[in-house]
Amino acid sequence: NAGVTQTPKFQVLKTGQSMTLQCAQDMNHEYMSWYRQDPGMGLRLIHYSVGAGITDQGEVPNGYNVSRSTTEDFPLRLLSAAPSQTSVYFCASSGVLAGGTDTQYFGPGTRLTVL
Amino acid sequence: AQSVTQLDSQVPVFEEAPVELRCNYSSSVSVYLFWYVQYPNQGLQLLLKYLSGSTLVKGINGFEAEFNKSQTSFHLRKPSVHISDTAEYFCAVSERISGGYNKLIFGAGTRLAVHP
Repeated sequence: NAGVTQTPKFQVLKTGQSMTLQCAQDMNHEYMSWYRQDPGMGLRLIHYSVGAGITDQGEVPNGYNVSRSTTEDFPLRLLSAAPSQTSVYFCASSGVLAGGTDTQYFGPGTRLTVL
Repeated sequence: AQSVTQLDSQVPVFEEAPVELRCNYSSSVSVYLFWYVQYPNQGLQLLLKYLSGSTLVKGINGFEAEFNKSQTSFHLRKPSVHISDTAEYFCAVSERISGGYNKLIFGAGTRLAVHP
């Protein structure tokens, strides 16, 4: 099992460019999430999905879009990159435990720099 | 909304010494609590979790944490650290939002630096 995989590992963009961060999991988990990590702030939730076709916003959704057409994949799209989106992005997936979310498993991250 | 406070941003310690990384959370209702570790340039790895039951939780790599409901704390401890424990440690609490999904609310992290 690969677990949660993310591509690319590193990316440099210019302001205004768009791109898609890829995330895939092979654990048949229902729930998937995107977080961003900034120094001194821990991780903050951007968007999440409770199943194929169902997504919702987290704490910091502005400037990002998501979709979930399959159980395995949950791409994150930056529509028009801004320097404030320079961050490390983590994808996570989790199964169901007693009607709620089980432990979240994280991918290795994508380090994004916007110039 | 819940919040998590990690009381120390950095903890320097000598090899083979004991260490405690402190974490307080805000909620008074039932919670799930987690400690994750992040080694340099890597993703987050689960160290341990508290869902219910015994308040002393044992995790990987010799770490343990104690859930204290009255003090809303979940401090992480290790009796003897190694150089390889140098990493950033994150405490997190889960919060139910919708559709059965529990989001994780993270503390700002504690950087543990183990010196020879």
